[in-house]
Amino acid sequence: SQKIEQNSEALNIQEGKTATLTCNYTNYSPAYLQWYRQDPGRGPVFLLLIRENEKEKRKERLKVTFDTTLKQSLFHITASQPADSATYLCAPQRDNQGGKLIFGQGTELSVKP
Amino acid sequence: NAGVTQTPKFRILKIGQSMTLQCTQDMNHNYMYWYRQDPGMGLKLIYYSVGAGITDKGEVPNGYNVSRSTTEDFPLRLELAAPSQTSVYFCASSYSGTPTNYGYTFGSGTRLTVV
Repeated sequence: SQKIEQNSEALNIQEGKTATLTCNYTNYSPAYLQWYRQDPGRGPVFLLLIRENEKEKRKERLKVTFDTTLKQSLFHITASQPADSATYLCAPQRDNQGGKLIFGQGTELSVKP
Repeated sequence: NAGVTQTPKFRILKIGQSMTLQCTQDMNHNYMYWYRQDPGMGLKLIYYSVGAGITDKGEVPNGYNVSRSTTEDFPLRLELAAPSQTSVYFCASSYSGTPTNYGYTFGSGTRLTVV
């Protein structure tokens, strides 16, 4: 069955540094990969979608890569700020999945001033 | 534009009781979803719907039922509540099953405790 793995340990970094979060998947070949941000007590908020033929996508201080050979996506936040502290969820999705989005367990990011 | 609205925000149920978690969206989205999230865990898909009158099971459907009589509403029914159903429940919607640059829109969640 398809499996999604994100860094289980919280990531602690200093303000201004680049945060890098990893999403690995096995047993399937997603055509899309979504990233979401979740704050405590709130629902996830969509950040970025990357398609399998895009390799890299940027939005402001965010950058996502999608390596279908390594079966991995990396999510980068440059010039991180304390306000970036949250849990980040990845969701790889097959082309014929009919909308059924399956999420990784998330990585908690803490940015210290 | 309210997005996805869930009610109630909190609820305590006794074992064996039943309840309905309400979810409504005003974005004319065809697809709607119910997820549960246990502490420190990711989201698990319970049920989803691709349009009015059409529903299907997700990863963890046991103990739950859904219906979709309108595009806007997608209620989740818990019959005979059990402690294992203590969780935070999120409803979400999307325009289609093919991902777009708008992603899925989530509600703010219902925190359910079964005692």
